[in-house]
Amino acid sequence: EADIYQTPRYLVIGTGKKITLECSQTMGHDKMYWYQQDPGMELHLIHYSYGVNSTEKGDLSSESTVSRIRTEHFPLTLESARPSHTSQYLCASRGQGNEKLFFGSGTQLSVL
Amino acid sequence: DAKTTQPPSMDCAEGRAANLPCNHSTISGNEYVYWYRQIHSQGPQYIIHGLKNNETNEMASLIITEDRKSSTLILPHATLRDTAVYYCIVRVANNAGNMLTFGGGTRLMVKP
Repeated sequence: EADIYQTPRYLVIGTGKKITLECSQTMGHDKMYWYQQDPGMELHLIHYSYGVNSTEKGDLSSESTVSRIRTEHFPLTLESARPSHTSQYLCASRGQGNEKLFFGSGTQLSVL
Repeated sequence: DAKTTQPPSMDCAEGRAANLPCNHSTISGNEYVYWYRQIHSQGPQYIIHGLKNNETNEMASLIITEDRKSSTLILPHATLRDTAVYYCIVRVANNAGNMLTFGGGTRLMVKP
């Protein structure tokens, strides 16, 4: 089974708060991804990283930012959360030459 | 990546085989067919992938037509826990610049 973890599982916060969604994997994977998904809708790639100090924006524009200081850690930050940021955020990773994408359980974010 | 077309929803009786079709008529010679599934509120899970030969693992079988323009994922004995959204994706393997793009998928409902 995959060893990729996301915390928190659920988060309810007020507008204007700064939040960081955590994602960690213990598989030594170099490639990591953040997807955003609204209920019943498609997954959209918002950020990805090919290794330490590498980050790129995905297909869907997002006001969030990411960092990749360590291989195993790929946190996503919202400086000032708004109700439009309410969604599920899914983190994934895969290793070099490994075609399987491993997903975390996701963070369900609700901004009031 | 080649575009895929899947039916939005399907039903299957528990214990019967579930056959999920996918059309990928613009697939190119070096693109693989991948299948993932997403059980409600969880991250997607890898099922199987193949290039042109049929593939089987402990979860499912993948049948790819000779012209590679379509494929079928087969769950031989569907259970209630197989109720999920199933995504068919085509992409070039081992291409670092190529992310998995998830479409709408097929919502499979396994009924008792």
